Amino acid sequence: DAGVIQSPRHEVTEMGQEVTLRCKPISGHDYLFWYRQTMMRGLELLIYFNNNVPIDDSGMPEDRFSAKMPNASFSTLKIQPSEPRDSAVYFCASVEDRYNTEAFFGQGTRLTVV
Amino acid sequence: TQLLEQSPQFLSIQEGENLTVYCNSSSVFSSLQWYRQEPGEGPVLLVTVVTGGEVKKLKRLTFQFGDARKDSSLHITAAQPGDTGLYLCAGVPGAQKLVFGQGTRLTINP
Repeated sequence: DAGVIQSPRHEVTEMGQEVTLRCKPISGHDYLFWYRQTMMRGLELLIYFNNNVPIDDSGMPEDRFSAKMPNASFSTLKIQPSEPRDSAVYFCASVEDRYNTEAFFGQGTRLTVV
Repeated sequence: TQLLEQSPQFLSIQEGENLTVYCNSSSVFSSLQWYRQEPGEGPVLLVTVVTGGEVKKLKRLTFQFGDARKDSSLHITAAQPGDTGLYLCAGVPGAQKLVFGQGTRLTINP
């Protein structure tokens, strides 16, 4: 398996634009997590899915953020409209199941909102 | 408020020195994990500790889980420049929700 794949690696956008980040988890993994990492706040959990169902979205900062997982091999995180304070590295991670809890991370998407 | 507090946040030492970083919480965890992250990459798992009091060794790295399963430590012996990176602890407080500490940014100077 190629591991967790995120796209794009880098995104620069203007304030007010819509941004969509994409993630392909490892095949067969039951859990998918979206994190945001900044120097100030570290690695924050935004939302996670179990078998494609959103379980906890309490970390999503505002209604401007939304996430979907239409099938087991694809998830998106959308920000609309984007703001400069959304600038961060966004990571997707997948976990096999509740017994094998190692999180496998993608390489992240570095988002810059100007 | 962080569920997992790591200390120190930054540490810069000379090659060959020993160091310990800490991960503390007021909550009990069924297990704690330690990850290492290098620039431009996602975190990579180093170890999982499960039993209170457990000690695991990975070459020059020693990980310990507190007896009450609320804290953990990472000790590095004879640090090398290749140990430089961001060290993160992580745990599942419930319902498989994996949360991370803020990390310890370690720099080993040659």
